[in-house]
Amino acid sequence: QVQLVQSGTEVKKPGASVKVSCKASGYTFTSYYMHWVRQAPGQGLEWMGIINPSGGSTAYAQKFQGRVSMTRDTSTRTVYMELSSLRSEDTAVYYCATEGIAVAGHFFDYWGQGTLVTVSS
Amino acid sequence: QSALTQPASVSGSPGQSITISCTGTSSDVGGYNYVSWYQQHPGKAPKLMIYDVSNRPSGVSNRFSGSKSGNTASLTISGLQAEDEADYYCSSKRSSTSWVFGGGTRLTVL
Repeated sequence: QVQLVQSGTEVKKPGASVKVSCKASGYTFTSYYMHWVRQAPGQGLEWMGIINPSGGSTAYAQKFQGRVSMTRDTSTRTVYMELSSLRSEDTAVYYCATEGIAVAGHFFDYWGQGTLVTVSS
Repeated sequence: QSALTQPASVSGSPGQSITISCTGTSSDVGGYNYVSWYQQHPGKAPKLMIYDVSNRPSGVSNRFSGSKSGNTASLTISGLQAEDEADYYCSSKRSSTSWVFGGGTRLTVL
């Protein structure tokens, strides 16, 4: 079965960077895009970007351009999301999610368990 | 880039039906048949409930249905049950390489 297992809770100081991992299993890793979505405390979902695990190409939401980097390691079936120049507003749960595995399409069908990133001085 | 517009909250009694709207623009909801809906219980990851406007993934109750008219999509839940109480989010493709979510709607089952 499809599983996405994310790395653990992070606490960072303002200005630092954080790198969150998402290890995939149960499907052909390079055949399906992976997205990152975040959710600030008590707030809604926010799409951050997408990575093609096959070639590594990426596209990011305009809001995060210049501050986010998504990469992948095909040997370990893991995707990474790194966010730099952290500020308090980046405190959120960060999710990875696959696109259209069970049925082909442009939606998020499997989600990781989420990684809480807290930015505080 | 604005989020899609959803009502902040809706409520209904067990057995009733409710509808949650999701309003975007011709650049997202109106321009693509790629609207999806997610259910999120507190402390849990979102769960896909509807994809491509009106399709249900395997395992999702047929009490959940979706539709779209112009720039507004809708999620209808019929025969409300206590376990339906959750937050609901719509999402749409906005371009070839971007997606957008709605602000979320809290459903309360009275």
